[in-house]
Amino acid sequence: NAGVMQNPRHLVRRRGQEARLRCSPMKGHSHVYWYRQLPEEGLKFMVYLQKENIIDESGMPKERFSAEFPKEGPSILRIQQVVRGDSAAYFCASSPEGGQGYQPQHFGDGTRLSIL
Amino acid sequence: DQQVKQNSPSLSVQEGRISILNCDYTNSMFDYFLWYKKYPAEGPTFLISISSIKDKNEDGRFTVFLNKSAKHLSLHIVPSQPGDSAVYFCAASGLLQGAQKLVFGQGTRLTINP
Repeated sequence: NAGVMQNPRHLVRRRGQEARLRCSPMKGHSHVYWYRQLPEEGLKFMVYLQKENIIDESGMPKERFSAEFPKEGPSILRIQQVVRGDSAAYFCASSPEGGQGYQPQHFGDGTRLSIL
Repeated sequence: DQQVKQNSPSLSVQEGRISILNCDYTNSMFDYFLWYKKYPAEGPTFLISISSIKDKNEDGRFTVFLNKSAKHLSLHIVPSQPGDSAVYFCAASGLLQGAQKLVFGQGTRLTINP
């Protein structure tokens, strides 16, 4: 499967715990994006990363949320001290190098995060 | 501030007829527009895109029209098939937004009736 791979598909955490969401981009893609979707809403941009660099994190909450895309391994979205309002579907997308914004982003199937 | 709006939450169309989904935007700096289709419990699937230098792009049964003066785009699906039943999102990006950041509409749920 050469698509964007996200794991886990479902994640349940209690308030105050940490959540780690993983994303492996499509083969050959070096740009990774994270989006969040609340029920009955569209997807909202969170962060855009290239290998070892955060390019745009204007959609990330200022506290408790962080993202990385290391030289080796998947991109990680980390949420510390989770609260009920963090319950949502988190989608990762990737696109290839080049095109400067004119390459469509391809999405994974998401991680559904539930906070008890 | 909803910069990309899909004003119809739902649309019902008979199989074989044309489906027309609409999308409006407010930011004149957007210059690249996309349509995605989403089934429940899956990620959005890219359908078709258009840059602001064009007013029409076609791919099989799917055609996207862009009216820059009205800040409006539409997706036409013809003929509609039962497998087209899904939620459709339009999305936009532009230099001001950061070329890689997509701004999504709220989605339109399309139901194709046999």
